[in-house]
Amino acid sequence: AQKVTQAQTEISVVEKEDVTLDCVYETRDTTYYLFWYKQPPSGELVFLIRRNSFDEQNEISGRYSWNFQKSTSSFNFTITASQVVDSAVYFCALSEGGFNKFYFGSGTKLNVKP
Amino acid sequence: KAGVTQTPRYLIKTRGQQVTLSCSPISGHRSVSWYQQTPGQGLQFLFEYFSETQRNKGNFPGRFSGRQFSNSRSEMNVSTLELGDSALYLCASSWTSGGAFTGELFFGEGSRLTVL
Repeated sequence: AQKVTQAQTEISVVEKEDVTLDCVYETRDTTYYLFWYKQPPSGELVFLIRRNSFDEQNEISGRYSWNFQKSTSSFNFTITASQVVDSAVYFCALSEGGFNKFYFGSGTKLNVKP
Repeated sequence: KAGVTQTPRYLIKTRGQQVTLSCSPISGHRSVSWYQQTPGQGLQFLFEYFSETQRNKGNFPGRFSGRQFSNSRSEMNVSTLELGDSALYLCASSWTSGGAFTGELFFGEGSRLTVL
């Protein structure tokens, strides 16, 4: 079974629109970490955020915000007022028990058109 | 601060050959992980090394192996290459506190392997 599911394969929006990328995870561990990574066309994965299972506070960083809900096993990512530079593939990932073994979702390709 | 460096960036091999990929982590990072990225399977964990020891291993056949040197540089080797091994191989390093997980992986640009 997939531990991390990103149901949206590809999303296209027009610049300045808000967009939410969904992530649903599955784990039996009580201690786990959730991540979002961005992979621009250049290929290098860039870390965006980490959340541990004991911290359900939502986080905002500029135009980016993350909504972590343990009740629904979701860790969604919202980009407000999207820009063309946000075009990339975004990956959600899970690490269980504090190990450097990440389970990545299949990624959501975001296309932001001018 | 230099990032994670992977060499070679691109390589072409034929079935049955073997290949060695190299990864130099960020200075001070002692944990190095390897991932395989393909369009069909996405990003899959291969293995992780810390202080020259393999700590975690993914579900890949024994043809995939790796090692880490005392300077934290790591290599991975794939023997008897198959067409399905064509992929982008990503190396990631992370800082650890006494070997403990700190969470953030820093990725290299990858080595793109094509098997003909």
